[in-house]
Amino acid sequence: GAVVSQHPSRVICKSGTSVKIECRSLDFQATTMFWYRQFPKKSLMLMATSNEGSKATYEQGVEKDKFLINHASLTLSTLTVTSAHPEDSSFYICSARLAGGGGTDTQYFGPGTRLTVL
Amino acid sequence: EDQVTQSPEALRLQEGESSSLNCSYTVSGLRGLFWYRQDPGKGPEFLFTLYSAGEEKEKERLKATLTKKESFLHITAPKPEDSATYLCAVHGANNLFFGTGTRLTVIP
Repeated sequence: GAVVSQHPSRVICKSGTSVKIECRSLDFQATTMFWYRQFPKKSLMLMATSNEGSKATYEQGVEKDKFLINHASLTLSTLTVTSAHPEDSSFYICSARLAGGGGTDTQYFGPGTRLTVL
Repeated sequence: EDQVTQSPEALRLQEGESSSLNCSYTVSGLRGLFWYRQDPGKGPEFLFTLYSAGEEKEKERLKATLTKKESFLHITAPKPEDSATYLCAVHGANNLFFGTGTRLTVIP
């Protein structure tokens, strides 16, 4: 149980194009999903919190017009990197929050998407 | 401000050589401390959640413990397949805040 998928796993695109990454919770519903970015040998940096049916909440320093997030259903959130540039190349990882009882929530992570912008 | 420090940054063990990884944290209102395992090029895999000081959890060769200031991930008789980066994260008032991880290598 608690499986999260991401698609695509790897994408290479030209500078200036837009790239969409999908995150799905396969066996549970998630009202909240998260998008992280990870640089080589660095920890995960939270980019934004995606809430089903409402606008995403972005962390300080993350451009919301560049990283568009849509949480269209209880099992799907998408991240679109608009007008991608080489500095956007990174490993993007999503997670979905599985609510437990008494505030015991756990985030389950997807396998990640490697984005390379040429 | 939430802070998580993991040590050591990297650890090399012989197969069967037990050791511990440390996660020191500062957080206002701890709602949970999480341990994840991450293999290269993969997303983090959930291992444990600890909620209060004194709590312990075990899974195969791994055992996680928690105090008010730190958590330890004990690895007993590790095998080469335990090689990975182990991430610690705290959930305080804000969302999960991750440490930079300990990169564990177990040599056959």
